[in-house]
Amino acid sequence: EAQVTQNPRYLITVTGKKLTVTCSQNMNHEYMSWYRQDPGLGLRQIYYSMNVEVTDKGDVPEGYKVSRKEKRNFPLILESPSPNQTSLYFCASSLTGLAGVETQYFGPGTRLLVL
Amino acid sequence: AQSVAQPEDQVNVAEGNPLTVKCTYSVSGNPYLFWYVQYPNRGLQFLLKYITGDNLVKGSYGFEAEFNKSQTSFHLKKPSALVSDSALYFCAVRSRDTGRRALTFGSGTRLQVQP
Repeated sequence: EAQVTQNPRYLITVTGKKLTVTCSQNMNHEYMSWYRQDPGLGLRQIYYSMNVEVTDKGDVPEGYKVSRKEKRNFPLILESPSPNQTSLYFCASSLTGLAGVETQYFGPGTRLLVL
Repeated sequence: AQSVAQPEDQVNVAEGNPLTVKCTYSVSGNPYLFWYVQYPNRGLQFLLKYITGDNLVKGSYGFEAEFNKSQTSFHLKKPSALVSDSALYFCAVRSRDTGRRALTFGSGTRLQVQP
């Protein structure tokens, strides 16, 4: 089954404790992206990746890091989480980013609470 | 900078009646436009997109959207609403004419269809 998976689905942590949210897709997609969803603000793009070793900032990259060492994986790293990073996070992928218009497939979301 | 406005936080409609969910956008040059739907506790699902050509775009589940360049709008419509259409709807945009691949989402509109 074609899918985007995220782990963990729920996470409670404390300020300053490094964490990683994993994202994996099994569709051989080149383009992957991370979003955060906050009430009243909709989805905001954090980082995206056009292909292996190619990443770029979205609208709200501060406080986040990403890496793309393999095509299928695109982890989101919070080196020193803060309470304002409490949010619902979605990973998404699409076939290529060249035309930029393909349908994006979204993961189920990761709900993060930073105390 | 690109942006999307969804002026209504919530739209209420009776089952069987037509529905409209509004979206206006701002982008450099020509746009690619998208509608996504989010059901409770799920990731986003693609509904439809406008790339070029015919201004009326037909999508999944009987939804359609009309691109209006002069009004910079891309309203989502359905002739006859179903209770199962109740969900959160997001409009998104990116520029066709710049190299930036980031997608910008609106804040979302909750559609409530009453039986």
